[in-house]
Amino acid sequence: QVRLQESGPGLMEPSQTLSLTCSVSGGAMNSGNYYWSWIRQHPEKGLEWIAFTSYSGDTYYNPSLKSRVTLSVDKSDNHFSLKLTSLTAADTSVYFCARAAYHDTPVKGRFFDLWGRGTLVTVSS
Amino acid sequence: QSVLTQPPSVSGAPGQRVTISCTGSRSNIGAGYDVHWYQQLPGTSPKLLIYANNNRPSGVPDRFSASKSGTSASLAITGLQAEDEGDYYCQSHDNYVRGVFGTGTRVSVL
Repeated sequence: QVRLQESGPGLMEPSQTLSLTCSVSGGAMNSGNYYWSWIRQHPEKGLEWIAFTSYSGDTYYNPSLKSRVTLSVDKSDNHFSLKLTSLTAADTSVYFCARAAYHDTPVKGRFFDLWGRGTLVTVSS
Repeated sequence: QSVLTQPPSVSGAPGQRVTISCTGSRSNIGAGYDVHWYQQLPGTSPKLLIYANNNRPSGVPDRFSASKSGTSASLAITGLQAEDEGDYYCQSHDNYVRGVFGTGTRVSVL
């Protein structure tokens, strides 16, 4: 079955740029009408959707993060990536990658049917 | 930044029924977008529990059910079990943010 696995640095300094990768195994990213997502969870807090992208590059961002976020898909290696610039302590979170699917029609919105285990990123000087 | 509001906590004795509300607005649930629910057990990643308002993925017990009406939705857990303890989140689409999650509800089994 399809599995997602996040990877990236655990500790970052303020003002740096975070790069995270989500490796997709057990299935091709271009199979099915899925979008590939990043979601984060501040320590002991709720979930925050960051962005998602299709295999062809149709990308949507959370307006609150849009100026600092870039998503990309590596078609040769079946993975997708997140870049988050100008880090502050407020970006300290567990970052999850997830697959976004839809029921009947994407017009009614998508849900996240597969999740990675998450990776903790701490921003501290 | 959550635009979907849930009660911080609910609790019940084993075997009881508990419900969790998810209140949105006309730009998300009230606009006709589907509502989905996730279960996050301690130390794990969220797991899809209900999709498209009232559909259970394969493997999710029928003790979990959900409904949607107007600008709100609710999740019900019947026959509460100790293994149900954890955090529950609703999620929908919003005209402005696309992916929005609820504030989360901690379920405790007494």
